[in-house]
Amino acid sequence: RKEVEQDPGPFNVPEGATVAFNCTYSNSASQSFFWYRQDCRKEPKLLMSVYSSGNEDGRFTAQLNRASQYISLLIRDSKLSDSATYLCVVGGDQTGANNLFFGTGTRLTVIP
Amino acid sequence: DTAVSQTPKYLVTQMGNDKSIKCEQNLGHDTMYWYKQDSKKFLKIMFSYNNKELIINETVPNRFSPKSPDKAHLNLHINSLELGDSAVYFCASSQDLGSIYYGYTFGSGTRLTVV
Repeated sequence: RKEVEQDPGPFNVPEGATVAFNCTYSNSASQSFFWYRQDCRKEPKLLMSVYSSGNEDGRFTAQLNRASQYISLLIRDSKLSDSATYLCVVGGDQTGANNLFFGTGTRLTVIP
Repeated sequence: DTAVSQTPKYLVTQMGNDKSIKCEQNLGHDTMYWYKQDSKKFLKIMFSYNNKELIINETVPNRFSPKSPDKAHLNLHINSLELGDSAVYFCASSQDLGSIYYGYTFGSGTRLTVV
């Protein structure tokens, strides 16, 4: 079983739409959660951390449900520039292993 | 002023050759990593180094050897290259061992093609 599983996508949405991505993780002891963004042929870049209480950064909202081991990312008012692959990332456990596990990503294309 | 820089950006080489990829970070971070992203876009950690000590070594072939002359550099040497080694290799760094809470900074990647 993979450490992190994501919606396979692709998601093709019109500009202005709201889109949500989901992710589940297998290690219940995980301590840190992130969403990364990866543009085509580029490196992954941190989009936002995900906190237990949920957090928002502009048009982006991240939610964490520890009981269900589920993470989500909501993008409101989609822009063309949001087109990218979004990677769900989970890290850390009680042993202190310093490692991040990446999902395979969900590809988003925002259409004019 | 690139934070994490890798060279070369592209590398095309024949099977059986030995090659190295270099990585440098100017962030003052203590920990550096090598990740491999295969054709299915799956990112998997290969190695991490903290203060010049290998702290994670995933089940990668021993043809791959990380070398860190100092905490700002982590190079990846690959012996006897195989077709299956073709992938994008990303270097990354983090502030310290606790930076699983802050995420990593990635280099721009090295696209390796073995022919």
